Amino acid sequence: GAGVSQSPRYKVAKRGQDVALRCDPISGHVSLFWYQQALGQGPEFLTYFQNEAQLDKSGLPSDRFFAERPEGSVSTLKIQRTQQEDSAVYLCASSPPASLYGYTFGSGTRLTVV
Amino acid sequence: AQSVTQLDSQVPVFEEAPVELRCNYSSSVSVYLFWYVQYPNQGLQLLLKYLSGSTLVKGINGFEAEFNKSQTSFHLRKPSVHISDTAEYFCAVSDLSFGNEKLTFGTGTRLTIIP
Repeated sequence: GAGVSQSPRYKVAKRGQDVALRCDPISGHVSLFWYQQALGQGPEFLTYFQNEAQLDKSGLPSDRFFAERPEGSVSTLKIQRTQQEDSAVYLCASSPPASLYGYTFGSGTRLTVV
Repeated sequence: AQSVTQLDSQVPVFEEAPVELRCNYSSSVSVYLFWYVQYPNQGLQLLLKYLSGSTLVKGINGFEAEFNKSQTSFHLRKPSVHISDTAEYFCAVSDLSFGNEKLTFGTGTRLTIIP
């Protein structure tokens, strides 16, 4: 596609529900990043994939957060037993090979936990 | 650990006036520096980046920034702003020390252009 696509655009979850957020990167982009942006804050790194390998998950805030990219393309960020503090915009970005910081960000998924 | 400080959370500027958005960073190693813009309900768009070479970096939409290593700063400037520049601006730093290109962002500066 022309850009990084994220779905759903908005998600409202009741506290305790599980949610899954999808990211479709630009075709051919091998690097994929997830960031969390709380209201009024800058994005914070969650995790990084190179193809299907998750090389850095140091930013995941708890073991309730899980990300996967099984075929090296689409990625899913899953949050189990959502809590109010998980409310944020979740941004996905992808980058092509041999490109230094050639990020393209998606528009994000706004998660609201009620 | 590295960090980014954006001292001004909000900056109001009259249309066609110049603007400077301040960014300071801290890091124990050499860094790469970035400015991103975020329009309402949209993702981040790269304005400019400093990787190496000339310390004066020119970006899109008439913006430029200067890397000052001694002052650990990377301030963003534009000589004449337009209404369409109203947005949130984020400064970011990265150093490849973790083996990947993850970015550390500041808390953002909201630029409001006054007609």
